[in-house]
Amino acid sequence: DAMVIQNPRYQVTQFGKPVTLSCSQTLNHNVMYWYQQKSSQAPKLLFHYYDKDFNNEADTPDNFQSRRPNTSFCFLDIRSPGLGDAAMYLCATSRSPGTGDQPQHFGDGTRLSIL
Amino acid sequence: AQSVTQLGSHVSVSEGALVLLRCNYSSSVPPYLFWYVQYPNQGLQLLLKYTTGATLVKGINGFEAEFKKSETSFHLTKPSAHMSDAAEYFCAVSARSTNAGKSTFGDGTTLTVKP
Repeated sequence: DAMVIQNPRYQVTQFGKPVTLSCSQTLNHNVMYWYQQKSSQAPKLLFHYYDKDFNNEADTPDNFQSRRPNTSFCFLDIRSPGLGDAAMYLCATSRSPGTGDQPQHFGDGTRLSIL
Repeated sequence: AQSVTQLGSHVSVSEGALVLLRCNYSSSVPPYLFWYVQYPNQGLQLLLKYTTGATLVKGINGFEAEFKKSETSFHLTKPSAHMSDAAEYFCAVSARSTNAGKSTFGDGTTLTVKP
């Protein structure tokens, strides 16, 4: 089945130690998103790629970076994680015809804990 | 800019009772509208969407929603709740003209189903 896969499902890192979360998709969608979701809150968009074009949200901290080496893979890098970065990180994809009517397909997320 | 408000952060119903989750949107033009469900430690899954045409939209798991332009609403209903419906539900809107299908999510409603 075509899907969005996030690895690992659970990640523990130390305060200030860089961490990378990965996302892969077999849907061949041209848009990939990264969201941060804290407990009982809505997903908060960090950034997205439209093909190779990177689009950062205005309030995304510089501590968060992303890479998309090809259509199938996208990475979220947190350069110096702080305690406030502990959250669920969701990757999503969509097929975008440019009119906004395409739903997003989500992975099951990576839950990040900071020690 | 569009926004979405979900009325009631927590809704509790008895098994077999009607489920009604409320969503109101604010947009200069009618947006595209989506309902997603999120089970614990999983990503969001699309329940249904409204783009154009029939205002009563049927989705998966017996859910449906009706787009009411005059009320700027897109409430989610299910005639008879099942224990497996217990989850977090998110309403989302997307502008009719966007380059990457970005959605704005509501804060979510936690549905509890009592036996």
